[in-house]
Amino acid sequence: NAGVTQTPKFQVLKTGQSMTLQCAQDMNHEYMSWYRQDPGMGLRLIHYSVGAGITDQGEVPNGYNVSRSTTEDFPLRLLSAAPSQTSVYFCASSYRVAGVNEQFFGPGTRLTVL
Amino acid sequence: GEDVEQSLFLSVREGDSSVINCTYTDSSSTYLYWYKQEPGAGLQLLTYIFSNMDMKQDQRLTVLLNKKDKHLSLRIADTQTGDSAIYFCAENASGTYKYIFGTGTRLKVLA
Repeated sequence: NAGVTQTPKFQVLKTGQSMTLQCAQDMNHEYMSWYRQDPGMGLRLIHYSVGAGITDQGEVPNGYNVSRSTTEDFPLRLLSAAPSQTSVYFCASSYRVAGVNEQFFGPGTRLTVL
Repeated sequence: GEDVEQSLFLSVREGDSSVINCTYTDSSSTYLYWYKQEPGAGLQLLTYIFSNMDMKQDQRLTVLLNKKDKHLSLRIADTQTGDSAIYFCAENASGTYKYIFGTGTRLKVLA
């Protein structure tokens, strides 16, 4: 199993550009999520999905769109990049066994918006 | 509201014990987790504790939970340089997949 994969690893954008951060998992997990990590602020939930065709907003959804057409893929779209979106983005998938909900994280995408 | 707080930095000498603290506010949390993030990598689950437990030990790791004070701690015995990382506590509300993460504590182990 590759686990959770993310591409690209690094990206530089100009203000106003759009792009899609890719995330895929091969563990057949129903739940997937996107976080951003900023210094001193921990991880903040952007969007999440509880299964194919179902998405919902997290804590900081503005400026981002998601879709979940398959169980495996959960791309994150930046519609018009802003410097405030400079961050490290993590995708995660999870499953629940006996009530314990373990999240598996991708390696992250480091995004800089100029 | 939901909020999970941690101190930002901790520095210890190799061989000493490290104690990383966390406070949370969601009383409906069923499980509380500790994740480790090494430089340039994603988070990895270290351990977890069920909310009806006071303590859980797993090799060098000891988790203590004070549910009354909503206080969680992670003790690392015999801290090694390989333990240098950022440690996140997280809470998971009962019956949901939703996590709330703390701000992370950067542990630096001095040789």
